[in-house]
Amino acid sequence: AQSVTQLGSHVSVSEGALVLLRCNYSSSVPPYLFWYVQYPNQGLQLLLKYTTGATLVKGINGFEAEFKKSETSFHLTKPSAHMSDAAEYFCAVSVGETSGSRLTFGEGTQLTVNP
Amino acid sequence: GAGVSQSPSNKVTEKGKDVELRCDPISGHTALYWYRQRLGQGLEFLIYFQGNSAPDKSGLPSDRFSAERTGESVSTLTIQRTQQEDSAVYLCATGGARYEQYFGPGTRLTVT
Repeated sequence: AQSVTQLGSHVSVSEGALVLLRCNYSSSVPPYLFWYVQYPNQGLQLLLKYTTGATLVKGINGFEAEFKKSETSFHLTKPSAHMSDAAEYFCAVSVGETSGSRLTFGEGTQLTVNP
Repeated sequence: GAGVSQSPSNKVTEKGKDVELRCDPISGHTALYWYRQRLGQGLEFLIYFQGNSAPDKSGLPSDRFSAERTGESVSTLTIQRTQQEDSAVYLCATGGARYEQYFGPGTRLTVT
């Protein structure tokens, strides 16, 4: 079975500062990894995903994440935070088609951006 | 429509009543998932449909929960004899290409 741990349920940064949201996973098979963002009263929007190939993946809104197998991590970063980045972020893992690509989510990290 | 839609957006019901939640998938998406999001928590998988195959019901928390989908069309999630612990946002997601899931806006269920 797979699991996801997001370190820090709340992260606060200043506008223009680096954003770093941490995600560690466990999986018995090569994982597929995702970051989703959820704005208030909205559904989840896919930010980026890693399936195979290049371990540094770029997503929407200037976010990127790096898959590090040795550290079982998939941390999300953005060089310069904008006020509009304030939202909840979820890391998720899937083990692919054999289990119907169901996603296992972390508990989320609420990002606050201070002016 | 362009995205996944869900109805109603909000539902308040009394304990013990049955509720039915609806999900309209993106046209052509064969996979459909239901998740539950309790306040302040991540999403829990409930059930998965893939085309005409038997659904994966392994995430349903009790026999009060059931879901249906005919082919690649609309899905309904039914909760019978609702309890206060059923209060949550119920999210539907559909998938076409491998591994990508597109989420609807959710139905916020409040059981009083």
